[in-house]
Amino acid sequence: GNSVTQMEGPVTLSEEAFLTINCTYTATGYPSLFWYVQYPGEGLQLLLKATKADDKGSNKGFEATYRKETTSFHLEKGSVQVSDSAVYFCALSVGYKLSFGAGTTVTVRA
Amino acid sequence: DTAVSQTPKYLVTQMGNDKSIKCEQNLGHDTMYWYKQDSKKFLKIMFSYNNKELIINETVPNRFSPKSPDKAHLNLHINSLELGDSAVYFCASSPGTGIGEKLFFGSGTQLSVL
Repeated sequence: GNSVTQMEGPVTLSEEAFLTINCTYTATGYPSLFWYVQYPGEGLQLLLKATKADDKGSNKGFEATYRKETTSFHLEKGSVQVSDSAVYFCALSVGYKLSFGAGTTVTVRA
Repeated sequence: DTAVSQTPKYLVTQMGNDKSIKCEQNLGHDTMYWYKQDSKKFLKIMFSYNNKELIINETVPNRFSPKSPDKAHLNLHINSLELGDSAVYFCASSPGTGIGEKLFFGSGTQLSVL
C-alpha cells in the first residue's frame, strides 16, 4: 500500500538553527509529495509540494527535493524562527487519496 | 471570508448521543473530505466526495454518515457516539479530484465524548 514514514518528534531547536525532518515513502505508481504545516489551533496548510522525481518544492525558506532513488522527501530550513513552531506533516498522493505521515512537532525557542 | 468553514468549533457531548458537524467551502471546489486527527496528531482520511458523489470511503464505523447536499457542503453525522470518537475532525476541499492537488483545510472541530 501507499504510506509515508516521517521522523518522530518532538524536535526542539534554538532560533537560527538548521532544521531537517526526514520523510520516506512507499508507493505504487508515481506519487505527488507534499509537506503540510499545522500551527497551534489551526487546520493544515500546504507548505510545499513536488510532483515528479528531482523536483524541488520551496516556500517560506523551507525546501524539499523529491528523491526517487531513495524514496525520500526530506524537509529542510537553514535558519528557523520561533514562528516556525508547528506540526509538520509529510504526505503523498496517489490517485484520489492523500495519505499523511504521523506528523513531527517542532518547537523553536528564542 | 473563510474558505473552508466548519461548525461547531467545539462539541462536547455524552456517550450514545447523535451529533452533526457541518462544513461549507466557498472556493468553488469539486471535492470535499473529512479527516480525523487523534490525540497523537495522526491524520486519517474518512470520506471524500467529488461533485456530491462518494469517491473515498475508508474503513469507518457505519455510525459515521457523510451527507453532501451540494458540492459546496459536506456534513458529517455521527450516531451513538463512543468515547473513542473523541478527536479533532477536519473538513477539507480541493479543486478537482485531489490527484496531486493542494487541499484546503478548515480549522477543525474538537469533539469530546464524555
